[in-house]
Amino acid sequence: SYELTQSPSVSVSPGQTVSVSCSGDNLGRKFAYWYQQKPGQSPVLVIHQDTKRPSGIPERFSGSNSVNTATLTIRGTQAIDEADYYCQTWVDDTPWFGGGTRLTVL
Amino acid sequence: QLQLQESGPGLVKPSETLSLSCTVSGGSIGSGHYYWAWIRQPPGKGLEWIANIHYRGTTFHNSSLRSRVTISVDTSSNQFSLRLHSVTAADTAVYYCARVDPQDLAPRFDIWGQGTLVTVSS
Repeated sequence: SYELTQSPSVSVSPGQTVSVSCSGDNLGRKFAYWYQQKPGQSPVLVIHQDTKRPSGIPERFSGSNSVNTATLTIRGTQAIDEADYYCQTWVDDTPWFGGGTRLTVL
Repeated sequence: QLQLQESGPGLVKPSETLSLSCTVSGGSIGSGHYYWAWIRQPPGKGLEWIANIHYRGTTFHNSSLRSRVTISVDTSSNQFSLRLHSVTAADTAVYYCARVDPQDLAPRFDIWGQGTLVTVSS
């Protein structure tokens, strides 16, 4: 098995920058993905291949991945960004998800 | 625009089999290199991958669920399905179907269904 560890929660003021981290053994040697899930909704892919944004995802979302930690950064956070964020990677043919981080925009 | 829609009973009795289908619309399940996945989320908890399938039949399973899971694909109806045998209350969850796009050798779950809640209870 493979474990991805995320902080349970993080908070940010509107307009500020927030980082959500995800740690795993040698995660930097794998691709990291990030999913946003708002209450009662399905997850949405916001970052793939460490740093890439799918079409339609705002530029304020960015990602990085190095050594053992992947990071999702949201610049100019808006109220609509309040959600749970899950990191994910692949080990062989198995996808592993982190436990999720609840982002609160205060 | 590709869409996925889960369907199936919302209530299953303990020890019975959970059966769900995912209908793909706006595109063919048999086109290209995509895989199709089932992922679940217990109430208030995180995401757990269950299995993937390619339209040609190649499958991958979560090792912890492998013995209880059957995943299949029906290209004629543009659907893929999940059967989870011998369910317990621990299998209560929202079940999502999703598309896996393996582009650039970096597979991602890029399209998700809306999810369906399945409760295991007598």
